[in-house]
Amino acid sequence: AQTVTQSQPEMSVQEAETVTLSCTYDTSESDYYLFWYKQPPSRQMILVIRQEAYKQQNATENRFSVNFQKAAKSFSLKISDSQLGDAAMYFCAYRSANDGANNLFFGTGTRLTVIP
Amino acid sequence: EPEVTQTPSHQVTQMGQEVILRCVPISNHLYFYWYRQILGQKVEFLVSFYNNEISEKSEIFDDQFSVERPDGSNFTLKIRSTKLEDSAMYFCASRGVNTEAFFGQGTRLTVV
Repeated sequence: AQTVTQSQPEMSVQEAETVTLSCTYDTSESDYYLFWYKQPPSRQMILVIRQEAYKQQNATENRFSVNFQKAAKSFSLKISDSQLGDAAMYFCAYRSANDGANNLFFGTGTRLTVIP
Repeated sequence: EPEVTQTPSHQVTQMGQEVILRCVPISNHLYFYWYRQILGQKVEFLVSFYNNEISEKSEIFDDQFSVERPDGSNFTLKIRSTKLEDSAMYFCASRGVNTEAFFGQGTRLTVV
């Protein structure tokens, strides 16, 4: 079974600074997707960024970028120019790319605090 | 922008009662999911649904749970006899063939 590990239960960053959240995963599959979801206090799950395993280029969405290291099974999220609204729980997630429903496997989350 | 809608946003029920959580997935999506998040813990997969049947289910999804897509638009999760430990946030999600999963706002279930 796939497992996703987030080793940082909590992180903090000064407003306007950069922070990196870590994620590692374990799988025997070669094709899959990786995601970062944001969960603000409202508890809604919001997709931040997505990475296809077959793509070598790291995904970027505005201030959010990932460092995808397939051989190391590592998928970290970098938030640049942190804003107060970035404060939330961040979950790393894995999904197989095989045919089928393929549910998401989530890590335990990292709570990010942004210090004004 | 299309979205997944869940009702109610908060449900309080007595232990032993049945509850039905409702979801309206995005209309052209094919795969439907229920996830659960106990307060302060990670999001856990319950069940996936495709082509009008359960595709996969986790160990959590025991005989007390069932899912239905009764009318082609709604997607429901029923808990037959609720226990205190069923208190959690329940998320519905849907996705198309080549899209990521979109989550609803969640239903907070409190069993007293």
